[in-house]
Amino acid sequence: GAGVSQSPSNKVTEKGKDVELRCDPISGHTALYWYRQRLGQGLEFLIYFQGNSAPDKSGLPSDRFSAERTGESVSTLTIQRTQQEDSAVYLCASSSTRGNYGYTFGSGTRLTVV
Amino acid sequence: DQQVKQNSPSLSVQEGRISILNCDYTNSMFDYFLWYKKYPAEGPTFLISISSIKDKNEDGRFTVFLNKSAKHLSLHIVPSQPGDSAVYFCAANTPMGAQKLVFGQGTRLTINP
Repeated sequence: GAGVSQSPSNKVTEKGKDVELRCDPISGHTALYWYRQRLGQGLEFLIYFQGNSAPDKSGLPSDRFSAERTGESVSTLTIQRTQQEDSAVYLCASSSTRGNYGYTFGSGTRLTVV
Repeated sequence: DQQVKQNSPSLSVQEGRISILNCDYTNSMFDYFLWYKKYPAEGPTFLISISSIKDKNEDGRFTVFLNKSAKHLSLHIVPSQPGDSAVYFCAANTPMGAQKLVFGQGTRLTINP
């Protein structure tokens, strides 16, 4: 597609439930990133996929968080046993490794844990 | 450890005047810096960037200045327009070309008519 697509755009879940967030990157972009933005905070790096290399998971806040990416396409971010502090906007971005350092972000998934 | 800091959470500027957004960083190995703009309910969009080998980059109304000795960069918008009202994030590329960006906390810019 023309841009980075994320679904759902909004998700309300009960504390303790699992959630899956989906990201469709721009076709041909080998790099894919997940960030989150909690209320009043900046963008917090979560995980980075680059081609077939092992992902950089250094930003995942706990073992309740995991992410997968199929080849150079769709990625899913899974949060198990959600907690209220997981409430945030989860942003996905993709980029090409050739030249341009700029990411293209999706519109994000707003997750609310109640 | 906040490696990229935007110490002003908000800024209000009169339409037509200059807006100056500031950003400080701590890691001297950062080699590329970017500014992103974010409207509510949208993802951030790339605005302008600068390599560490330069001290200025200009694109229309937007100019980014880099002072490596002070580990400081700034974004100048002139003249400011109401459509510039948004949250602005500065970001730095991690060393070794990993293309993993480290973002500041953001500054909310409001342009008053």
